[in-house]
Amino acid sequence: RKEVEQDPGPFNVPEGATVAFNCTYSNSASQSFFWYRQDCRKEPKLLMSVYSSGNEDGRFTAQLNRASQYISLLIRDSKLSDSATYLCVVNALYMDTGRRALTFGSGTRLQVQP
Amino acid sequence: DGGITQSPKYLFRKEGQNVTLSCEQNLNHDAMYWYRQDPGQGLRLIYYSQIVNDFQKGDIAEGYSVSREKKESFPLTVTSAQKNPTAFYLCASSGGLAVYNEQFFGPGTRLTVL
Repeated sequence: RKEVEQDPGPFNVPEGATVAFNCTYSNSASQSFFWYRQDCRKEPKLLMSVYSSGNEDGRFTAQLNRASQYISLLIRDSKLSDSATYLCVVNALYMDTGRRALTFGSGTRLQVQP
Repeated sequence: DGGITQSPKYLFRKEGQNVTLSCEQNLNHDAMYWYRQDPGQGLRLIYYSQIVNDFQKGDIAEGYSVSREKKESFPLTVTSAQKNPTAFYLCASSGGLAVYNEQFFGPGTRLTVL
């Protein structure tokens, strides 16, 4: 089982639609969570951190459910410019090595249609 | 402008050659990282460094080497021992390994073995 799992998509939605992505993680010691956006053949860029109480940034809302070990990202009023791959990222402490590291999901591709 | 630079953008290597990828940051970040991304997959950690003159292996360090002689610089050498080096290589930095330190990425280097 992958440590961070995402539906690869693609999600094809019309402009103005609301779309939601889910992500599950397996390491219960995970302590911080992020969503990154990656455009085709470019580097990932931080979209938002995910806080326990949930947080919103404009049209984007992130939620965390620690009990069920999943994170969600909601995009409202989709724009053409939202077309990209969205990476779910988890920061966890690995007890066997004492190493703290980010683990990246494979990403969910979003295509917003005119 | 503060940021992370990587060079070259594209690199072609013949079988049996070692090549070195450059990564420089002027964000005054302590921690630096190297990742590899293959098509349709998440980022995988190659090496990371918390401070100057110290670095640790990530999940896929075999066939790679690094150095951290200066805070600003973290070059990656892809050796001939790396059997499948064709990939997108991403360098990142963060304020440290603390839980809430987001990572910021350079533009990446695409390495192709001919």
